Amino acid sequence: DTAVSQTPKYLVTQMGNDKSIKCEQNLGHDTMYWYKQDSKKFLKIMFSYNNKELIINETVPNRFSPKSPDKAHLNLHINSLELGDSAVYFCASSQLAGGETQYFGPGTRLLVL
Amino acid sequence: DAKTTQPPSMDCAEGRAANLPCNHSTISGNEYVYWYRQIHSQGPQYIIHGLKNNETNEMASLIITEDRKSSTLILPHATLRDTAVYYCIVRSISGGGADGLTFGKGTHLIIQP
Repeated sequence: DTAVSQTPKYLVTQMGNDKSIKCEQNLGHDTMYWYKQDSKKFLKIMFSYNNKELIINETVPNRFSPKSPDKAHLNLHINSLELGDSAVYFCASSQLAGGETQYFGPGTRLLVL
Repeated sequence: DAKTTQPPSMDCAEGRAANLPCNHSTISGNEYVYWYRQIHSQGPQYIIHGLKNNETNEMASLIITEDRKSSTLILPHATLRDTAVYYCIVRSISGGGADGLTFGKGTHLIIQP
């Protein structure tokens, strides 16, 4: 069984559209994360979330919003997509908040045309 | 989190030990050294972590100098599947909050047949 899964694997869409990426973890972890990897391969944290708090990287535009229907899911909603949003988005989870080992999903490759 | 410095790339012959260095001269007493790797088109994968003692698991060994200002990740018998970007990350166990990992540029390890 896949520990951290993401759907879709590939997403191609037009500028201005609204899209969502789903993430699910079956590890029973308390904390989930979203990372963005741009074309230069830099990986940056976007959000981290547990049942107590949402921590947002201040560089993330407010067009991006995480939504967690339950502890096992953290979806990423993106409004008014822009060309610069094209990247690979990775979901991750960890047992506890803080410096615990994180487990990553396979990534969602978003291309905005 | 303390900053780390890694060589941008390294080559290693298949079957030999791959030794990946990392400098973290500003590491503080409560910060651990973590290693992750990212194989092409996959999500990052946890390898190992340590505080001050040397650590070994089924994937690798981690050697941390006595002053803790540098460390070496050792893959004892490298295979072609070990070709990846390896990230050294220094991070405290905060015990609270849900900060994401701070990835640098890493070392691109290429295993030669």
